[in-house]
Amino acid sequence: KAGVTQTPRYLIKTRGQQVTLSCSPISGHRSVSWYQQTPGQGLQFLFEYFSETQRNKGNFPGRFSGRQFSNSRSEMNVSTLELGDSALYLCASSLGPGQQETQYFGPGTRLLVL
Amino acid sequence: EDKVVQSPLSLVVHEGDTVTLNCSYEVTNFRSLLWYKQEKKAPTFLFMLTSSGIEKKSGRLSSILDKKELFSILNITATQTGDSAVYLCAAINQAGTALIFGKGTTLSVSS
Repeated sequence: KAGVTQTPRYLIKTRGQQVTLSCSPISGHRSVSWYQQTPGQGLQFLFEYFSETQRNKGNFPGRFSGRQFSNSRSEMNVSTLELGDSALYLCASSLGPGQQETQYFGPGTRLLVL
Repeated sequence: EDKVVQSPLSLVVHEGDTVTLNCSYEVTNFRSLLWYKQEKKAPTFLFMLTSSGIEKKSGRLSSILDKKELFSILNITATQTGDSAVYLCAAINQAGTALIFGKGTTLSVSS
């Protein structure tokens, strides 16, 4: 069974731009969560989507948003990029909402903001 | 505020050594604690622990949770260079609405 896939794997943007990252969950998984990982803050929860609805949201500004499609694929968008948004963005999928114990992570998208 | 604290932040050992990684947590309505290994990219799942106190083992790795003292340890015996990685712990609340990660312990095993 194919794992969680994320595209693109690497991305370079400049301040003020916006970016969209994509995540395709494991087949049959309907919940997708997004995380930001930086050396200073570690791994932080961004949001979780299930059935095309945002179920939970972490403590991030409104510039960070996401959505989920009917096939469970998810995208996250960051608008008005700041230098501090440089990070590894990980998504994880699980069968259902709140089932983090059984979630699988994708390889991540490494974003560099210049 | 919910929080997870890992110690030490980094550790360098020689092959064959035994290491103990620590994770303390404060999470409202705690449900479970997870340990992950992250080598370069995606964290891979190691163990899930609950307040039952049951020790989990997998080969040279083992982990246990102390529900009274609110901490967990991850033991690795007879370390190998392949154990070099960042080890993350994360605590989850009952509703599954909060998954709080520690900042990780970077383990380096030299040959």
